[in-house]
Amino acid sequence: QQQVRQSSQSLTVWEGETAILNCSYENSAFDYFPWYQQFPGEGPALLIAIRSVSDKKEDGRFTIFFNKREKNLSLHIKDSQPGDSATYFCAAREASNNRIFFGDGTQLVVKP
Amino acid sequence: GPKVLQIPSHQIIDMGQMVTLNCDPVSNHLYFYWYKQILGQQMEFLVNFYNGKVMEKSKLFKDQFSVERPDGSYFTLKIQPTALEDSAVYFCASSLQQSNERLFFGHGTKLSVL
Repeated sequence: QQQVRQSSQSLTVWEGETAILNCSYENSAFDYFPWYQQFPGEGPALLIAIRSVSDKKEDGRFTIFFNKREKNLSLHIKDSQPGDSATYFCAAREASNNRIFFGDGTQLVVKP
Repeated sequence: GPKVLQIPSHQIIDMGQMVTLNCDPVSNHLYFYWYKQILGQQMEFLVNFYNGKVMEKSKLFKDQFSVERPDGSYFTLKIQPTALEDSAVYFCASSLQQSNERLFFGHGTKLSVL
């Protein structure tokens, strides 16, 4: 059973556009939601994260919008650059045991 | 920044043989993990390890799998015997705290079982 779902397997945007990556979950016990960015041939790296007590987290061009009631969240990448092309994993942490669950990833392509 | 090193980067092995994947975690980290990734997506948790013991393992962590970190050296994942479905990229990760707010991943070992 998939605990964290990412709605798109792939997404293509033009340079300068805002890329929106969506994620949803089922488990109300999740309390922390990191997004990891993975470039080909490398391991995932933490990009930005939000706690369930917040509804928005911003870091430069990257913003997470979180809706606890609807159990979904999205990662917005403003002014997308070709260097942002990567796979983005939405993840969630279960509060009781700190276990991290990953979504299947969204492969983002930013065309120049 | 802190680095997790994985050796080798690619391993090709015949079905039924044993393989050991090596991970050198971030030096002061205490919690270690193995994840399996297929087709460049689907990051699936295998096992986590702390203080010399397996803390939790998933259904993917079959009886043929084992982990250890003898004397603070490499954190290893051993598969014996290997099966065709074990072909994947295996990522090692480490974290400083149990809270897991930030996992540091290695570059992965691509395992090809023929």
